Amino acid sequence: KAGVTQTPRYLIKTRGQQVTLSCSPISGHRSVSWYQQTPGQGLQFLFEYFSETQRNKGNFPGRFSGRQFSNSRSEMNVSTLELGDSALYLCASSLRVRDTEAFFGQGTRLTVV
Amino acid sequence: SQQGEEDPQALSIQEGENATMNCSYKTSINNLQWYRQNSGRGLVHLILIRSNEREKHSGRLRVTLDTSKKSSSLLITASRAADTASYFCATDAENAGNMLTFGGGTRLMVKP
Repeated sequence: KAGVTQTPRYLIKTRGQQVTLSCSPISGHRSVSWYQQTPGQGLQFLFEYFSETQRNKGNFPGRFSGRQFSNSRSEMNVSTLELGDSALYLCASSLRVRDTEAFFGQGTRLTVV
Repeated sequence: SQQGEEDPQALSIQEGENATMNCSYKTSINNLQWYRQNSGRGLVHLILIRSNEREKHSGRLRVTLDTSKKSSSLLITASRAADTASYFCATDAENAGNMLTFGGGTRLMVKP
């Protein structure tokens, strides 16, 4: 069974631009969550989707948004990029809506210059 | 914000020794999960322990959970150089769906 696939693996963007990251969950998994990892703040929850509905949202500005499609694939978008948005963005896939293992992809390394 | 603290922040041992990492958290949980991360790559799921479980084993890994103390430990026995990585605990709080709150991690170095 294929794991969680995140694309692209690496991105370099300029301040002020926007970026879209993609995540394909494990087949059959309907829950997708996104996390940001930085050296200073560690791993922080961005948002969670289940069956195309956002169920939880972390404490991030409105520039960070996401969506989930009917095939459970998810995208997250960051608009008006700032230098501080440079991070590893990780996507996790889960089978059930709660109390279940979360399996992570390899991440997208975003560098904002 | 991070729910938990991990202790120690860094650990260096010789191959063959055991490594113990501890994690503390703040709220009531459904489960606690341990992950490994190699050098800025994705997180590899190691083990999940539910709030009604006290101990769980998987190969060379042993995880304990003490909900009265809101703490967990991960023991890696007979460590190998390939175990060198960062280890994170993550809690799945009650009524929070699949939102995980991570600790700061323990950097483990296993010397050959």
